[in-house]
Amino acid sequence: KAGVTQTPRYLIKTRGQQVTLSCSPISGHRSVSWYQQTPGQGLQFLFEYFSETQRNKGNFPGRFSGRQFSNSRSEMNVSTLELGDSALYLCASSLSRGPANEQFFGPGTRLTVL
Amino acid sequence: DAKTTQPPSMDCAEGRAANLPCNHSTISGNEYVYWYRQIHSQGPQYIIHGLKNNETNEMASLIITEDRKSSTLILPHATLRDTAVYYCIVSPYTGNQFYFGTGTSLTVIP
Repeated sequence: KAGVTQTPRYLIKTRGQQVTLSCSPISGHRSVSWYQQTPGQGLQFLFEYFSETQRNKGNFPGRFSGRQFSNSRSEMNVSTLELGDSALYLCASSLSRGPANEQFFGPGTRLTVL
Repeated sequence: DAKTTQPPSMDCAEGRAANLPCNHSTISGNEYVYWYRQIHSQGPQYIIHGLKNNETNEMASLIITEDRKSSTLILPHATLRDTAVYYCIVSPYTGNQFYFGTGTSLTVIP
């Protein structure tokens, strides 16, 4: 069974631009969550999608947004990029929601903002 | 917000058991304990999870205290490839939002 895939793996942007990252969950998984990892803040929860609806959102500004499609694939968008948005963005998928659902992480997209 | 406390770093001799502790004193009755590890900026890898009983799989064992306020992840025979940052996470009752703490950086020494 194929794992979680994320595209692109590496991305370089300049301040003020916007970026869209993509995540394809494991087949059959309906929940997708996004995380940001930086050396200073560690791994931080961004948002969770299930059945095309955002179910939870972390403490990030409105420049960070996302969506989920009917095939469970998800995208996240960051507008008006800032230097501090440079990070590893990780996507995780799980079968469903709730306390006993393992999340499987993708390899991440490394975003560099210049 | 992270609800777990872990030591920042630990060393373990290759071939010996690695015991990684985690405190989660505010855990609720229906929250699970999960362990993940991350090897050098790869995506975190699932290791094991449990509710109140001890659990074992091909990778590790999870020992949860009777009051559920702490747990220990045991890697029975550590290898150099087990060098990683290990995260203990208390899952929310609803949703999939994991709040990662700072984890424990485990170094396996030859």
